[in-house]
Amino acid sequence: DQQVKQNSPSLSVQEGRISILNCDYTNSMFDYFLWYKKYPAEGPTFLISISSIKDKNEDGRFTVFLNKSAKHLSLHIVPSQPGDSAVYFCAASAQGGSEKLVFGKGMKLTVNP
Amino acid sequence: GAVVSQHPSWVICKSGTSVKIECRSLDFQATTMFWYRQFPKQSLMLMATSNEGSKATYEQGVEKDKFLINHASLTLSTLTVTSAHPEDSSFYICSARARHYNSPLHFGNGTRLTVT
Repeated sequence: DQQVKQNSPSLSVQEGRISILNCDYTNSMFDYFLWYKKYPAEGPTFLISISSIKDKNEDGRFTVFLNKSAKHLSLHIVPSQPGDSAVYFCAASAQGGSEKLVFGKGMKLTVNP
Repeated sequence: GAVVSQHPSWVICKSGTSVKIECRSLDFQATTMFWYRQFPKQSLMLMATSNEGSKATYEQGVEKDKFLINHASLTLSTLTVTSAHPEDSSFYICSARARHYNSPLHFGNGTRLTVT
C-alpha cells in the first residue's frame, strides 16, 4: 500500500513558466512533508519542507502548499529554469519528522529552454 | 549546508563476496542514519535505521544477516552487503539527520553496486 503517491511520472514545462508538482498521501498521521530533488547517479538533495501546522512555505522560487483536508501537497517552482530538470521526490513523516520518511515514486521534471 | 559523504560511489564485485559502503556526516553529528535502496524508476525504499551505539532497526523483508549495519560513531555508519548475489545489484543511498529531530534528512550521493 503506497502511502505517498506521485501519480504523474513526468512533467515538461517551458523555461520561465511555473512548474507544479503534486503529491497525495493516505496516512493521516503524517504531519511533516519534504520535497527532494535528485539528479541521476546522485543522492537526493533537500529542497523545502512544511509542517502540518502551516499550509504554505516559501523559499525563493520554491513554494510548497499543503491541503490537509485533501491530504494533498504541491510544489510550485516559478520561474522554472533548465537547471531544475531532475526527479523530484515527495516525502512524508509522522511525529513531527521524527518518524521514518516515506517517499513517493518521484516525478521527472524537464524544463525546456 | 550539511554534507553527507558516501563511499564508494560505485563498486563491482563477484557473487559471494562482501562489499562495505561507508556513510559519513562531514559537518554535523548524526545520531540517526538511514540506509535506502532504490530500484530503477522506483521510490527510495528504507532498509534500516541506524542509531549510534545501538543495533540497527531493519524494515520488514530486509535480511539483517545479509545487510550488516554498524553505526560506531556519531559521524560514521557502514553497510556491508554479505555474500552478494546479482539480485543485490542496486543503488544504495545513506542519509543522516542531525541531533534536532525536526531537521531534514541529508543524503549521500549513493553507491551503485553491481554484482556479477
